[in-house]
Amino acid sequence: DIQMTQSPSSLSASVGDRVTITCQASQDIHNFLNWYQQKPGKAPKLLIYDASNLEKGVPSRFSGSGSGTDFTFTINSLQPEDFATYYCQQYDNDPSLTFGPGTKVAIK
Amino acid sequence: QGQLVESGGGVVQPGRSLRLSCAASGFTFSNFNMHWVRQAPGKGLEWVSVIWYDGSEKYYGDSMKGRLTISRDNAKNMLYLQINSLRPEDTAVFYCARDMAVIKGSYGMDVWGQGTTVVVSS
Repeated sequence: DIQMTQSPSSLSASVGDRVTITCQASQDIHNFLNWYQQKPGKAPKLLIYDASNLEKGVPSRFSGSGSGTDFTFTINSLQPEDFATYYCQQYDNDPSLTFGPGTKVAIK
Repeated sequence: QGQLVESGGGVVQPGRSLRLSCAASGFTFSNFNMHWVRQAPGKGLEWVSVIWYDGSEKYYGDSMKGRLTISRDNAKNMLYLQINSLRPEDTAVFYCARDMAVIKGSYGMDVWGQGTTVVVSS
């Protein structure tokens, strides 16, 4: 099975900050990686697919990069509505999917 | 874009069974593979199961395998998850979600329901 790790598990940041989250896979998953945002009590929302493609309607301050085993998710100029938990998810092991443990972005 | 509405959750005793339902609207349901994802209280997301667009293939995650049956009724735009032999550790919010690819494989989820809560307790 493919294992996913994320770091940090949580962070505190201020509005306007640049935030970076990393996701690492236990084996090469090419670019088969998605990123989701989840706010408390709400369903997850797809932000980035195929490691670097922005889902339709998602603000351009969100971006993703990486391939192989190491991936990065960035929020440029953090906005108040961006405080949430972010998850990576691999689909190289299709049909079985695996989520990372999540990174909580909190207000400093 | 599409909408998904889950139902069927509730409080159930250990060892009992439950069937979750998910009503789809706003998209051609029969064109998409569909998933169930669960989230235990205060925990992360866990993929549970996927069913192919035509019901021909079904796959399950390891943690609940053997106790689950995923099914769909394309004529009614409905997705189901039968969970047997429920355990306290199955307590979670269960989400149904649409795969992001039309007909193809299992990639990820671009439309999610609001979730239905299952509490397993005596």
